[in-house]
Amino acid sequence: GQQLNQSPQSMFIQEGEDVSMNCTSSSIFNTWLWYKQDPGEGPVLLIALYKAGELTSNGRLTAQFGITRKDSFLNISASIPSDVGIYFCAGSNTGNQFYFGTGTSLTVIP
Amino acid sequence: NAGVTQTPKFRVLKTGQSMTLLCAQDMNHEYMYWYRQDPGMGLRLIHYSVGEGTTAKGEVPDGYNVSRLKKQNFLLGLESAAPSQTSVYFCASSDRLNEQFFGPGTRLTVL
Repeated sequence: GQQLNQSPQSMFIQEGEDVSMNCTSSSIFNTWLWYKQDPGEGPVLLIALYKAGELTSNGRLTAQFGITRKDSFLNISASIPSDVGIYFCAGSNTGNQFYFGTGTSLTVIP
Repeated sequence: NAGVTQTPKFRVLKTGQSMTLLCAQDMNHEYMYWYRQDPGMGLRLIHYSVGEGTTAKGEVPDGYNVSRLKKQNFLLGLESAAPSQTSVYFCASSDRLNEQFFGPGTRLTVL
């Protein structure tokens, strides 16, 4: 199957710091999604991207669809304790099948 | 509006037993999906459906079967459970925009 590499695997940051993470693929995608998963819960959609170069924000979160269509980036500004969780990227080029990254675990230290 | 619900939430099976996981959505979505999530790995697609009465294989379909007899329900079956199927199973649904909404998950242990 498709391999999506997310980095970093884990992050430990102070409250108030900004966070950056990325996702790269060996294949071109035409849709990128970013999810957050809390322990014991299902993933929750944060941002959806549909066009190369697109930059989309959702509150303190900003995601970008890479120009090469093989990568995507997620930034979180001014982190707060409730940002703790695992962040997943997902990509698709068919619209039916999405391939997920292995996740970035975020810990915010108050 | 409950979104996506899954039953049961937890289950323990012995090797060789069978079971069915139920997923229901009340958003009138056409597409539904079953994923499994294993430690240190992302979600992997087992089977999906693009509409009532249709199903298709995903990335890891072996050992599973599915049915979509009603638009709002998507069932995942394990005919003869194996320890390798110990995992957390997530159902999701989406509309034409393909923004998938996930259920809370079913934690399955096969002994």
